[in-house]
Amino acid sequence: SQTIHQWPATLVQPVGSPLSLECTVEGTSNPNLYWYRQAAGRGLQLLFYSVGIGQISSEVPQNLSASRPQDRQFILSSKKLLLSDSGFYLCAWSLDTEAFFGQGTRLTVV
Amino acid sequence: GQQLNQSPQSMFIQEGEDVSMNCTSSSIFNTWLWYKQEPGEGPVLLIALYKAGELTSNGRLTAQFGITRKDSFLNISASIPSDVGIYFCAGRGSARQLTFGSGTQLTVLP
Repeated sequence: SQTIHQWPATLVQPVGSPLSLECTVEGTSNPNLYWYRQAAGRGLQLLFYSVGIGQISSEVPQNLSASRPQDRQFILSSKKLLLSDSGFYLCAWSLDTEAFFGQGTRLTVV
Repeated sequence: GQQLNQSPQSMFIQEGEDVSMNCTSSSIFNTWLWYKQEPGEGPVLLIALYKAGELTSNGRLTAQFGITRKDSFLNISASIPSDVGIYFCAGRGSARQLTFGSGTQLTVLP
């Protein structure tokens, strides 16, 4: 069966520090991968999606970037965090229609 | 782009009551999905709908794909305390990625 792993679960980072969140999927090949951000426990904002290695589409201009170095690995990064980057970050995968989410990372920028 | 209106934004109900929430779209969708998110976790897929008019149940949950393909509803019968959470609708139309509703926060009072 397919599983998705996302880490870390929580993260507290100072303003201006870099960020790297990792997401991996097991049990499937060539999934579509997504990064979402959720503020204040409501609303899922799509940040990036990828249909293959090295293929990244950005939905919202921001202080973040994404990379897909391997088929089942999706990384969310920032060179310098802003206070407004705080939130709950969710990775998800899909093959066709249904999307499945990781457990999320609670990021607090202080 | 595609937009989803999900209502109500929040609900406070007594244990044992039935719940109904719905989503409407500005455009036609080919797939409707319903998710539940508990605090600090990623959304979990509850029900997937693929055909206009389709009515699908998952235990006490029932969801329908509207005939116009622009709406869907989710009903929860005989609510219990563990039904608490945020319920999201999501739809997929011509775009590759899912469009999510803003969520319905459900509180079940004992």
